[in-house]
Amino acid sequence: DAGVTQSPTHLIKTRGQQVTLRCSPKSGHDTVSWYQQALGQGPQFIFQYYEEEERQRGNFPDRFSGHQFPNYSSELNVNALLLGDSALYLCASSLTGRGGELFFGEGSRLTVL
Amino acid sequence: AQKITQTQPGMFVQEKEAVTLDCTYDTSDPSYGLFWYKQPSSGEMIFLIYQGSYDQQNATEGRYSLNFQKARKSANLVISASQLGDSAMYFCAMREPYNTDKLIFGTGTRLQVFP
Repeated sequence: DAGVTQSPTHLIKTRGQQVTLRCSPKSGHDTVSWYQQALGQGPQFIFQYYEEEERQRGNFPDRFSGHQFPNYSSELNVNALLLGDSALYLCASSLTGRGGELFFGEGSRLTVL
Repeated sequence: AQKITQTQPGMFVQEKEAVTLDCTYDTSDPSYGLFWYKQPSSGEMIFLIYQGSYDQQNATEGRYSLNFQKARKSANLVISASQLGDSAMYFCAMREPYNTDKLIFGTGTRLQVFP
């Protein structure tokens, strides 16, 4: 039973560039959410996708956008990268209605130079 | 506003001993869920245990148990028989309302297990 998988695991970008991160949810899960974890801090909620729509959003600017595909996988896009976007980006998946199941992937570590 | 507080930046425990990691929360919603995650240096958030606000019994998962004291708004994680592999960051998190995947995380506690 495959867990949550994310790609790429590491990447380096320069300021102003754009990045796309990918996530495949755990088998059987239909909801994907994204988190940003800066060094030394707890993760911060970016947004959640269900039925291919953004259902809830945290306090992040419009430079952060996402997409969910019919197979429930998801992408996180960040435009006009800033140095402060350097972080570990975590994807989590769950099955709607199953309150206790929320599993994370290993994350994509983004460095912006 | 919802808030999770973890007051222990770091904890040390000897192998095979039990350890308690503290977590207090603040919410005005009667329906919420509480999670504990382990994050080793690799970065992955590993789910440990979950407690729903309406659950009558404290949650247990193997060596992990959650000491849920609703009136005190605390949800401490107890790890029994610590192992060297338990050394990691531990995060307490709260989800509210019930049907969302938005978690509010604490600042974490770094646990170090020594032989």
